[in-house]
Amino acid sequence: DGGITQSPKYLFRKEGQNVTLSCEQNLNHDAMYWYRQDPGQGLRLIYYSQIVNDFQKGDIAEGYSVSREKKESFPLTVTSAQKNPTAFYLCASSKGQGVAYGYTFGSGTRLTVV
Amino acid sequence: DQQVKQNSPSLSVQEGRISILNCDYTNSMFDYFLWYKKYPAEGPTFLISISSIKDKNEDGRFTVFLNKSAKHLSLHIVPSQPGDSAVYFCAARNSNSGYALNFGKGTSLLVTP
Repeated sequence: DGGITQSPKYLFRKEGQNVTLSCEQNLNHDAMYWYRQDPGQGLRLIYYSQIVNDFQKGDIAEGYSVSREKKESFPLTVTSAQKNPTAFYLCASSKGQGVAYGYTFGSGTRLTVV
Repeated sequence: DQQVKQNSPSLSVQEGRISILNCDYTNSMFDYFLWYKKYPAEGPTFLISISSIKDKNEDGRFTVFLNKSAKHLSLHIVPSQPGDSAVYFCAARNSNSGYALNFGKGTSLLVTP
């Protein structure tokens, strides 16, 4: 079955460390996105990529970095510069410019800084 | 600046009745509007969408209404079922931002038996 796989589901990081969240899709979708969810907040866009080797900053890109070397993969690195990294991170993908019936989301990674 | 607003953080409805979830937006460049249902610690699942050129879209128990002049949309669930209890997010697609979605803060719906 096609879908998006995010790993790991739970991740703990010490302050000052970088950590990379994985996102892989086998839907042959062109565009991929990273969102962050905090309690009582909607999903906020961190980065997005419309094609391989190209990506753009979203609303809250500071302290994060991404790469898009393959169509299937869009890893997100949370760097030590991110001041409040504890959150629920969601990866999504869409076909080309997106379709009327929506985008596909992964099941999320819960990152906790200890 | 929140471009998609869901002003009701929670809603409680009796089983069998209608649930109405509201959403307002500010950006005239949004071209599609979508509703997602989300459970804790899971990714959102798509429910229904509507193009900005339409005013109504229906899919089973779910209907979305769009009032473009008022920059307002609503999701109607009829009849509501206990399994509908979840957080509902309104999202708008921005054609100027790589077609990324802008989300509201969500409305937590509780359907009581």
